[in-house]
Amino acid sequence: DTAVSQTPKYLVTQMGNDKSIKCEQNLGHDTMYWYKQDSKKFLKIMFSYNNKELIINETVPNRFSPKSPDKAHLNLHINSLELGDSAVYFCASTVGAGRTDTEAFFGQGTRLTVV
Amino acid sequence: AQSVTQLGSHVSVSEGALVLLRCNYSSSVPPYLFWYVQYPNQGLQLLLKYTSAATLVKGINGFEAEFKKSETSFHLTKPSAHMSDAAEYFCAVYFGGSNYKLTFGKGTLLTVNP
Repeated sequence: DTAVSQTPKYLVTQMGNDKSIKCEQNLGHDTMYWYKQDSKKFLKIMFSYNNKELIINETVPNRFSPKSPDKAHLNLHINSLELGDSAVYFCASTVGAGRTDTEAFFGQGTRLTVV
Repeated sequence: AQSVTQLGSHVSVSEGALVLLRCNYSSSVPPYLFWYVQYPNQGLQLLLKYTSAATLVKGINGFEAEFKKSETSFHLTKPSAHMSDAAEYFCAVYFGGSNYKLTFGKGTLLTVNP
């Protein structure tokens, strides 16, 4: 039973389109994250929600909009996709914000390719 | 400024040789430290973590890491590399306080030669 699951695993789309990535965790965690991994494998945090409340919002274009309908789900919607948005997007969860002694659990990633 | 640095973007070893992947951090207070592994086309998996209980931490797959406060380091080692260890390795840090961000180093690609 997958702890953190993302859909879709692969996403190929044209510039200018709007797309969404969904994430669900069944660990009972309070905090969820979106990370972007670029072509050089660098991982950068984008957003974090703690029990449906946005707590981290890094310098990300406002074309990216996260949404957390409940603490087990965190979705990422991207408007007007650009070539530079091509990357692997990872969802992750932790027990709770401030519990820095506990690890993050990651999904398998969504490879987004914008053509 | 708080940061985490992995020295060497690529490390190549022979099967059976010692693996040493380096991680240094910059922080005014001891952070919580983690090593993750990423196999091709997969997500990140925790190898081990330091949370101040013990300076020598043992993880999965025979890996271990030692926290050295005086050197601000948390290097990852394995006595004998196996072909299956080939992957990308990431050092990650929580810098404490209200900073809930898990900050990653740039990663080190480990290749294992037969």
